[in-house]
Amino acid sequence: EVQLVESGGGLVQPGRSLKLSCAASGFTFSNYGMAWVCQAPTKGLEWVASISTGGGNTYYRDSVKGRFTISRDNAKNTLYLQMDSLRSEDTATYYCARLTTEGFAYWGQGTLVTVSS
Amino acid sequence: DIQMTQSPSFLSASVGERVTLSCRASQNINKYLDWYQQKLGEAPKLLIYNTNNLHTGIPSRFSGSGSGTDYTLTISSLQPEDVATYFCLQRNSWPTFGAGTKLELK
Repeated sequence: EVQLVESGGGLVQPGRSLKLSCAASGFTFSNYGMAWVCQAPTKGLEWVASISTGGGNTYYRDSVKGRFTISRDNAKNTLYLQMDSLRSEDTATYYCARLTTEGFAYWGQGTLVTVSS
Repeated sequence: DIQMTQSPSFLSASVGERVTLSCRASQNINKYLDWYQQKLGEAPKLLIYNTNNLHTGIPSRFSGSGSGTDYTLTISSLQPEDVATYFCLQRNSWPTFGAGTKLELK
């Protein structure tokens, strides 16, 4: 069974940093691209970033370029999102998702990030 | 970015009713259109990918159609467990989601 478990969310002040993790199990992690998707409270979904199987190719939405870094450790079956220079508008639940030709085929349960002073 | 417009925003329907949800893209997305179901307090779940392909384990009462800029999700006979918000997603370019259609029981 595919399982994705996010962690690392919490309350953080504007301008500070936070690192999210996503632990994968039930599939060969290194064979799949991965992504982060966020959902602000009572709002819709937004793609944040994606990474290729080996980590050599990364992609970001414009609003997080230069502030967020997606990475992965295939030996640890873990996906990361380093979030720097956080803003109030980054407040959201962050989901990790496994990418296939079917799209965002599997999702974790999400971790809440609240940016507030 | 490609903009995705879903309609209606809210829909109330009866058990057993046929339900149709729509999604319109701001430009041709070449059938790279997926549908997701999100129940309250849960993560989104993939229902249909590439316009009309049912994801593993999804009931056959769900179906998708469309081309170009206009796409449709149909539930042939609404069940109580289908109460959820439904999002469309285009993957023809940088992924963008629609704002969602909230489906409730009448």
